Amino acid sequence: RKEVEQDPGPFNVPEGATVAFNCTYSNSASQSFFWYRQDCRKEPKLLMSVYSSGNEDGRFTAQLNRASQYISLLIRDSKLSDSATYLCVVNSPKWDSSYKLIFGSGTRLLVRP
Amino acid sequence: GAGVSQSPSNKVTEKGKDVELRCDPISGHTALYWYRQSLGQGLEFLIYFQGNSAPDKSGLPSDRFSAERTGGSVSTLTIQRTQQEDSAVYLCASSWSREQFFGPGTRLTVL
Repeated sequence: RKEVEQDPGPFNVPEGATVAFNCTYSNSASQSFFWYRQDCRKEPKLLMSVYSSGNEDGRFTAQLNRASQYISLLIRDSKLSDSATYLCVVNSPKWDSSYKLIFGSGTRLLVRP
Repeated sequence: GAGVSQSPSNKVTEKGKDVELRCDPISGHTALYWYRQSLGQGLEFLIYFQGNSAPDKSGLPSDRFSAERTGGSVSTLTIQRTQQEDSAVYLCASSWSREQFFGPGTRLTVL
């Protein structure tokens, strides 16, 4: 079983749609959680950190459920520019002081006009 | 401010040659990481530096891979006797807290 699992998609949605991505992680000792965005042939860029209380940044809302080991990302009012691969990322468990990142394989989003 | 920079952006080499990849982290970031992304694969961790020390080298795939960091800043990843399976994008990230920021990567092609 992969440490971080995501639906690879692609999700093909019209502009203005709301789309939700889900992710599960296997290690309950993971401490920090993130969504990164990766455009084709570019580096991953941090979209947002994810907190247990949930957090929102404009059209983007992230949620963490530690009990279920489940992370979500909601994008409202999709724009063409949101088309990218969204990576669910957790860091190494608390006994590993490197805080290295463990990546899901990514969910591809295509927003059409 | 300046982000993480990497050089070269692209490197094509012949099987069996050695290559060096360079990373300049964000100024003041004490932690530096190397990852690689192979075609159709996810990102995988290679090595972690805190200052000039590498307390976690667990992701290096073989003893052909090595890395160093000097002055708590620039890092070099060296791959000796390259193989075709080494072809990938090598990404460097730096951090001073939980969040890591990535450079643009070096795309390595081994012919």
